[in-house]
Amino acid sequence: EAGVAQSPRYKIIEKRQSVAFWCNPISGHATLYWYQQILGQGPKLLIQFQNNGVVDDSQLPKDRFSAERLKGVDSTLKIQPAKLEDSAVYLCASSPLPRRIATEAFFGQGTRLTVV
Amino acid sequence: KQEVTQIPAALSVPEGENLVLNCSFTDSAIYNLQWFRQDPGKGLTSLLLIQSSQREQTSGRLNASLDKSSGRSTLYIAASQPGDSATYLCAVKGGGNKLTFGTGTQLKVEL
Repeated sequence: EAGVAQSPRYKIIEKRQSVAFWCNPISGHATLYWYQQILGQGPKLLIQFQNNGVVDDSQLPKDRFSAERLKGVDSTLKIQPAKLEDSAVYLCASSPLPRRIATEAFFGQGTRLTVV
Repeated sequence: KQEVTQIPAALSVPEGENLVLNCSFTDSAIYNLQWFRQDPGKGLTSLLLIQSSQREQTSGRLNASLDKSSGRSTLYIAASQPGDSATYLCAVKGGGNKLTFGTGTQLKVEL
């Protein structure tokens, strides 16, 4: 079974530029998560999709961040314009919907963003 | 709002020592708890998953326990090795398939 795929692995941009990250979840997984992990901290949820609908985006800085999930499969996360404090690892994860028992989340390798 | 805390934030032990990492959560209405390992600059590797109805799970030298009513989980690592050096994260899954992470414990196992 293929895992969660993310690209690019690394990105360096100047502040005020824009950047986009891509995630391809495990086939059939209804839930897709984007997390931001700043160095030395635990991952913070930015947005959670169930199929192509948004379940939770309460911590997404909507003035500069946007995300979409195309046809309930792939997802892109965009930052425009980037700030220095956006430097972090952006993690994508997917999980099946729970049935009789709750299900495991699987993570991609992440995208390390450096804003200079 | 679910909050997850991990203690200690950092830990350094000599090789061969047994150790315990702690995870606590404020809302006991969880469906499962997952322990992850993260190497520097890498993504997350799932170590153990404990369903809310279970008390513990074991994999090799790792044993995770869950006391849902008190909002606590521990990860026990037996006979630690330098290769165990990494950051360990716990995450709880609640309603709506929401996954909330702790702050992590950075472990260093020294020769």
